[in-house]
Amino acid sequence: ILNVEQSPQSLHVQEGDSTNFTCSFPSSNFYALHWYRWETAKSPEALFVMTLNGDEKKKGRISATLNTKEGYSYLYIKGSQPEDSATYLCAFHGGGADGLTFGKGTHLIIQP
Amino acid sequence: NAGVTQTPKFQVLKTGQSMTLQCAQDMNHEYMSWYRQDPGMGLRLIHYSVGAGITDQGEVPNGYNVSRSTTEDFPLRLLSAAPSQTSVYFCASSYSGQGLARNEQFFGPGTRLTVL
Repeated sequence: ILNVEQSPQSLHVQEGDSTNFTCSFPSSNFYALHWYRWETAKSPEALFVMTLNGDEKKKGRISATLNTKEGYSYLYIKGSQPEDSATYLCAFHGGGADGLTFGKGTHLIIQP
Repeated sequence: NAGVTQTPKFQVLKTGQSMTLQCAQDMNHEYMSWYRQDPGMGLRLIHYSVGAGITDQGEVPNGYNVSRSTTEDFPLRLLSAAPSQTSVYFCASSYSGQGLARNEQFFGPGTRLTVL
């Protein structure tokens, strides 16, 4: 079983502030790292799929970086809005025949 | 496109009963998978399939059976339900081009199952 850790577990942020959180994964046998956004009562939706060391991806106010050598990825949200409140999941794939291994998520609450 | 659909949305079973959770996708995705989501545990892979006729076990396969007779459908069968199988079940699919894990997964709306 692969160890994919996300921190912090939960986070309260004031509206307008920027924030970031971490996903740690095994640094050996890296193949891909996914980020998903999961709103309450909905299904997870993909934000980014990252495959190369040093990758930086951006979607609106949300961006992510990837360091495969040290085994971590950061997700950044700039100028948080109430609609950013959700659980953010990362998922690691080590290139084997099986599927993604998900972290437990960071639960983000944006306070007006 | 309907995307990934799951039925039923909610189900209550008694211990020992069997049932099938349905999952279908209309995006012609080769890869399909089933996850369960439990409080404090994140999403855990139950079974997956890389194409019609091919299935394999994930992290927590015990007590579940799958088949993939068509590209579109990937049903999950509970053989003899146990209270430990109370969970929310998500089906997901993805395109396999450029490597299986390098494409985003599309999730269904989930099935909330309670086993009494």
